[in-house]
Amino acid sequence: GNSVTQMEGPVTLSEEAFLTINCTYTATGYPSLFWYVQYPGEGLQLLLKATKADDKGSNKGFEATYRKETTSFHLEKGSVQVSDSAVYFCALILAYSGNTPLVFGKGTRLSVIA
Amino acid sequence: GAVVSQHPSRVICKSGTSVKIECRSLDFQATTMFWYRQFPKQSLMLMATSNEGSKATYEQGVEKDKFLINHASLTLSTLTVASAHPEDSSFYICSGRERTNTGELFFGEGSRLTVL
Repeated sequence: GNSVTQMEGPVTLSEEAFLTINCTYTATGYPSLFWYVQYPGEGLQLLLKATKADDKGSNKGFEATYRKETTSFHLEKGSVQVSDSAVYFCALILAYSGNTPLVFGKGTRLSVIA
Repeated sequence: GAVVSQHPSRVICKSGTSVKIECRSLDFQATTMFWYRQFPKQSLMLMATSNEGSKATYEQGVEKDKFLINHASLTLSTLTVASAHPEDSSFYICSGRERTNTGELFFGEGSRLTVL
């Protein structure tokens, strides 16, 4: 089946540190890949996405590259801020038909301390 | 991105009462709505998928008589937790997809239900 595996958290970093959150996937075809972010007490927001191999999604200083050869979509940011503290979810979707839901990883909680 | 508004954001109720959560797509027509449940420190569990004007399709293990989903229009879907019990306490999140898109879902802000 289709699944997403993320690194376990929580991840605690100092402000301005480099961030990597690993994400690998298993899929029966060629999925689109997403990173969603959930700030405390809120719903999910799309952070970035990539729809085909070698695509790089980027937003708010975060980047992730769709690596087909390693089935990975690791999230990176060069210098984190306290405001980046949140839970990050990696997700995939295999087809664009209306009824196909996203498949989520378990989420990685990031805490950034000043 | 498109906006999905979910209401109420928090609700506390007594055991045995029913609670309705509304999910509205404000600037697009959500032909498909997904309802997720999130347990503390865990990922999102898909509860059901609904298409406008059709009965919802529930995931295995989700009680359709307990979690009543209605998707009567392209901009509104509701989840009613019938006769809620403490074990139903959770964070419920809806998401919508319009007919033409590239797979992205737009999420509501979530509703935290606490059943006493």
